Amino acid sequence: IAGITQAPTSQILAAGRRMTLRCTQDMRHNAMYWYRQDLGLGLRLIHYSNTAGTTGKGEVPDGYSVSRANTDDFPLTLASAVPSQTSVYFCASSLQEGAQQFFGPGTRLTVL
Amino acid sequence: RKEVEQDPGPFNVPEGATVAFNCTYSNSASQSFFWYRQDCRKEPKLLMSVYSSGNEDGRFTAQLNRASQYISLLIRDSKLSDSATYLCVVYSGNTGKLIFGQGTTLQVKP
Repeated sequence: IAGITQAPTSQILAAGRRMTLRCTQDMRHNAMYWYRQDLGLGLRLIHYSNTAGTTGKGEVPDGYSVSRANTDDFPLTLASAVPSQTSVYFCASSLQEGAQQFFGPGTRLTVL
Repeated sequence: RKEVEQDPGPFNVPEGATVAFNCTYSNSASQSFFWYRQDCRKEPKLLMSVYSSGNEDGRFTAQLNRASQYISLLIRDSKLSDSATYLCVVYSGNTGKLIFGQGTTLQVKP
């Protein structure tokens, strides 16, 4: 692994289903983030983690949960997907809070 | 008012043109500033950080005006490969988060 990876690349999901988006980084960055990007709305922060073992809510956290059991992984879970969660999801990491962020390639999620 | 505002464009310019983007921010306590570039359907990537004294990287120049709370990006001698969306990003220590503007789309035409 080099940098930050996300899986899956894309997914079509039925409404009501549970879904976990995976994010892994090998840069030993302390901070990690989940964003969603929608046309006309830009990047919006869903959840973040400044260090392993801690998480916080961003601008649009409702319907999403995260965990940070270790430094490298930061999965995002949709407990019961709804069509309004159709979006492109980007995971990012930074050495520390406020520093340059490196982004993963994104996951395109469609909820029908 | 949005915390970070950009003119969404699109800016359509011919090759070789000089183009400038501005971005305004509302939080006077903002500490760090960045320009990111995002190609269609790809992830954002850091283009350059913006320093108080202004900084240049090849054809790209970034400037910060704290008094008026705006940052700018100047691209000289535009190339076709410069076509992308440019995101203005601001970090505020008192919120602890990077705030992204919606982006300005540049289309460079032959």
